[in-house]
Amino acid sequence: LAKTTQPISMDSYEGQEVNITCSHNNIATNDYITWYQQFPSQGPRFIIQGYKTKVTNEVASLFIPADRKSSTLSLPRVSLSDTAVYYCLVGDMRDDKIIFGKGTRLHILP
Amino acid sequence: ETGVTQTPRHLVMGMTNKKSLKCEQHLGHNAMYWYKQSAKKPLELMFVYNFKEQTENNSVPSRFSPECPNSSHLFLHLHTLQPEDSALYLCASSQDGGGANYGYTFGSGTRLTVV
Repeated sequence: LAKTTQPISMDSYEGQEVNITCSHNNIATNDYITWYQQFPSQGPRFIIQGYKTKVTNEVASLFIPADRKSSTLSLPRVSLSDTAVYYCLVGDMRDDKIIFGKGTRLHILP
Repeated sequence: ETGVTQTPRHLVMGMTNKKSLKCEQHLGHNAMYWYKQSAKKPLELMFVYNFKEQTENNSVPSRFSPECPNSSHLFLHLHTLQPEDSALYLCASSQDGGGANYGYTFGSGTRLTVV
């Protein structure tokens, strides 16, 4: 499983766009990039998944450069309720387990 | 509600007690997992079940005993726990035991306190 590195914490303000970058220099050809969101005392929740270029859904966008050694989760116009820990994971779709890192603790200020 | 239900949501137990955590999913998934999350620490994978068969035991002490009677139910039996076992215990499920499609679905967890 490829190792990921992401900032430990970030602060932003309501209404701003937030970008969280994750480094995964040893990503393998078959690996996908998945982001989860976790609120306190709850389980992680799937946000978005991608392989290359750009993926967008109703919650976020995921930007993946051509070399795939990093990815950026973009949250448009955040609100206080987006305060959570965000995890970047990299792994083969056939993996039967996922290993979480420390994630990025995002704090949205009014 | 995510489709993965964990009970109880909160549990306080003494070190000599025996208790069980329950997880249930009606998503049609065939893989289920137990994770442990201690305060300010990453999630730790404990056990993996694929089609009711245990495929991963991540060096978990024997005082934690998993049981998977069918693909929809997963239990974690607890006995003679230590205070350091206090944590949020999370259950998850996935299709085909992999990260395919939309990954893993987690329950809301059981907050366990060992006194």
